[in-house]
Amino acid sequence: QSVLTQPPSASGTPGQRVTISCSGSSSNIGSNYVYWYQQLPGTAPKLLIYRNNQRPSGVPDRFSGSKSGTSASLAISGLRSEDEADYYCAAWDDSLSSVVFGGGTKLTVL
Amino acid sequence: EVQLVESGGGLVQPGRSLRLSCAASGFTFDDYAMHWVRQAPGKGLEWVSGISWNSGSIGYADSVKGRFTISRDNAKNSLYLQMNSLRAEDTALYYCARGIVGAPHYFDYWGQGTLVTVSS
Repeated sequence: QSVLTQPPSASGTPGQRVTISCSGSSSNIGSNYVYWYQQLPGTAPKLLIYRNNQRPSGVPDRFSGSKSGTSASLAISGLRSEDEADYYCAAWDDSLSSVVFGGGTKLTVL
Repeated sequence: EVQLVESGGGLVQPGRSLRLSCAASGFTFDDYAMHWVRQAPGKGLEWVSGISWNSGSIGYADSVKGRFTISRDNAKNSLYLQMNSLRAEDTALYYCARGIVGAPHYFDYWGQGTLVTVSS
């Protein structure tokens, strides 16, 4: 059981906009930044979004992040087949004194 | 180019020990906190342990506290994880990850991982 809650799956067709949610509590998302990671099949995770809504260089602006209260979301617009991957949210938890992850969302591009 | 290369994984019996290593290159190693994050087969990510740039601050997940020890050798640009009293539930792909400047508890670059299988 992950501390942060994500839907196990999401899907969309090419060109569509998809949103993945991440729900937490006041001790994690509510008081700390949210980070998002993309894990393509058979590869290591890659940083996708940092500090709630910032993109590292090289990440397309089709990817965007937002946070409100104790929840965060990742939006992917103009969906492409290469976006098919697992997506994880992460946040520092003040009560646990550790980084906690969501259980991951498997995105399928139909 | 930042590179993190893990090694030391393998098949080990329950109760035995294993030591993982991570060789870093392409950046000034002693400027960064470093972490171990694991992923059980078919499962999600779990932070295992982290160490500050000068080893002055160290943290562990409750699931490994008292059994695992993280360390680093800045002269050798290397990170280590000593794993004792291994259990079946420690079976996972272990990633070495670099902390982010200004946000050392989070990670920007990851290695490709080394697989640890605990089984009799």
